[in-house]
Amino acid sequence: EIVMTQSPATLSVSPGERATLSCRASQSVSSNLAWYQQKPGQAPRLLIYGASTRATGIPARFSGSGSGTEFTLTISSLQSEDFAVYYCQQYNNWPLTLTFGGGTKVEIK
Amino acid sequence: QVQLVQSGAEVKKPGASVKVSCKASGYTFTSYYMHWVRQAPGQGLEWMGIINPSGGSTSYAQKFQGRVTMTRDTSTSTVYMELSSLRSEDTAVYYCASGDSGYDPFFDYWGQGTLVTVSS
Repeated sequence: EIVMTQSPATLSVSPGERATLSCRASQSVSSNLAWYQQKPGQAPRLLIYGASTRATGIPARFSGSGSGTEFTLTISSLQSEDFAVYYCQQYNNWPLTLTFGGGTKVEIK
Repeated sequence: QVQLVQSGAEVKKPGASVKVSCKASGYTFTSYYMHWVRQAPGQGLEWMGIINPSGGSTSYAQKFQGRVTMTRDTSTSTVYMELSSLRSEDTAVYYCASGDSGYDPFFDYWGQGTLVTVSS
């Protein structure tokens, strides 16, 4: 099974600052990676798929990069509504299985 | 607009089974594969499996093989996820989810979640 590891577990950032979240795969997943945002009590929201393609309606301040085993989600200028937990998900060995990372919580500094 | 509406919270005893429903609307039901994902309290997301509403074929994560059954009712545009032999570790919010193109293995659309509590 492909294991997804996210770092850091918690990221403290001030509003307006840049946030950089990392996701590492235990083996190559090519560009078959998605990112989600989840707020308390809500279902996750798709942000990025194909490692770098923004989903419909996602603001341009969210960007994804990487391929193979190393991926990054960047939020260029944090807004108040961006404080949440972020998950990466690989789908390279689809349809066998899909796996998520453990999440990074972005909190207000 | 695509909507996925799930059934309400459940409380079950260890060893029992639970069946969660997910009613879809706003699109052609048989055109979108449906996935189930769960989230234990304070924990991350875990993919459970997928059902093709068109023919009813399924694929389950190895961890849940033998304990999970996904079915669908095309007459009501509803998919179901049944989990048996429940244990305390199965306490979680269960989500149905689907991708925008129908077969995408990432999820644009999510149900509101169903909390299943397993407790004696």
